Amino acid sequence: NAGVMQNPRHLVRRRGQEARLRCSPMKGHSHVYWYRQLPEEGLKFMVYLQKENIIDESGMPKERFSAEFPKEGPSILRIQQVVRGDSAAYFCASSPKQGAGQPQHFGDGTRLSIL
Amino acid sequence: AQTVTQSQPEMSVQEAETVTLSCTYDTSENNYYLFWYKQPPSRQMILVIRQEAYKQQNATENRFSVNFQKAAKSFSLKISDSQLGDTAMYFCAFMKHSGGSNYKLTFGKGTLLTVNP
Repeated sequence: NAGVMQNPRHLVRRRGQEARLRCSPMKGHSHVYWYRQLPEEGLKFMVYLQKENIIDESGMPKERFSAEFPKEGPSILRIQQVVRGDSAAYFCASSPKQGAGQPQHFGDGTRLSIL
Repeated sequence: AQTVTQSQPEMSVQEAETVTLSCTYDTSENNYYLFWYKQPPSRQMILVIRQEAYKQQNATENRFSVNFQKAAKSFSLKISDSQLGDTAMYFCAFMKHSGGSNYKLTFGKGTLLTVNP
């Protein structure tokens, strides 16, 4: 049973470009969460999605950031017009259900570097 | 809002010895879950152990055990018989049991544990 798959593992972008981060949840998991880890910091919640629905995007910056989890295919975190401050590790996690202490299973993360 | 504090940025331990990582948290919730995650140099986040706040018994998972003190809002992780593969960043995390946002993990800043041969 494959775990949460994230790609790419490393992504380098120049300021002003777009970054697309992909996440395939574990088989049977329909709940996806994105977290961001800045250097020397713990992970911070960004957004929670179920298939075709954004449930909570309260942790995501209002501008330039968007997320989707289509009926078919992986979840995508999209960052437009990237800036240096977007450099971070972005982690995706999934769970089979919501809440009630459901452990979230994490991918290996995507390290985004902005030149 | 919940906060999680890990007061030890770095710790080291000799192989085969025991080490305890501390974690405190602040919440007005009565029921919740606490987790320890491990992040080795490969960077993958791995769930180590999970504790339900309404259970008095401390969770254990092989060489890993917790000391959960609900009144003190303390949730320390004890690693027995430390192994070189335990070298990693360890994160303490909190999740509400019910109500809004009972899916968000709130993480501490982490403790970097180095196991020395």
